[in-house]
Amino acid sequence: KAGVTQTPRYLIKTRGQQVTLSCSPISGHRSVSWYQQTPGQGLQFLFEYFSETQRNKGNFPGRFSGRQFSNSRSEMNVSTLELGDSALYLCASSLGASGAHYNEQFFGPGTRLTVL
Amino acid sequence: GNSVTQMEGPVTLSEEAFLTINCTYTATGYPSLFWYVQYPGEGLQLLLKATKADDKGSNKGFEATYRKETTSFHLEKGSVQVSDSAVYFCALPSNSGYALNFGKGTSLLVTP
Repeated sequence: KAGVTQTPRYLIKTRGQQVTLSCSPISGHRSVSWYQQTPGQGLQFLFEYFSETQRNKGNFPGRFSGRQFSNSRSEMNVSTLELGDSALYLCASSLGASGAHYNEQFFGPGTRLTVL
Repeated sequence: GNSVTQMEGPVTLSEEAFLTINCTYTATGYPSLFWYVQYPGEGLQLLLKATKADDKGSNKGFEATYRKETTSFHLEKGSVQVSDSAVYFCALPSNSGYALNFGKGTSLLVTP
């Protein structure tokens, strides 16, 4: 079975631009979560989608948004980029119905975003 | 809310040395506990998990025991290899149950 794929793997943007990152979950997985990883803050939860519905959102400004499509693929968008948005953005998929207690999360390799 | 605290690195060990990475948790109830590993340039992989008190998770020679009395889930390996060099994260479900809360990560470097 193919793993979680994320595109693009690397991205360079300038302040004020917007960016869209894509995540394709493992076939059959209906939950997709997004995390931001930075050296200073570590791994922080952005949001989680299950069957096209956002079930949970982390403490990030409204510039960060996401969506999930009917085939479970997900995108996240960051508008008006700031220098502090430079990070590794990780996507994780799981079967999902029961949440993180019971469903293992499988992570993709991440998208490395650099904001100049 | 649910959170974990793990020892900060970096930890440098010689090959075949014994490894312990400490992790303590704060949580409502008795959540599942996880150790994830991140190799350079990669995403996170689940290393092991435990779903209830006194459970021992194990994988690839790594072990961790869910200790309710000390609210701990320390990661151990009896003999580390160079290939174990990575960053290790302790994690547990958030209060909502739909996300994972991670520790800061512990970087491990194993030298020949």
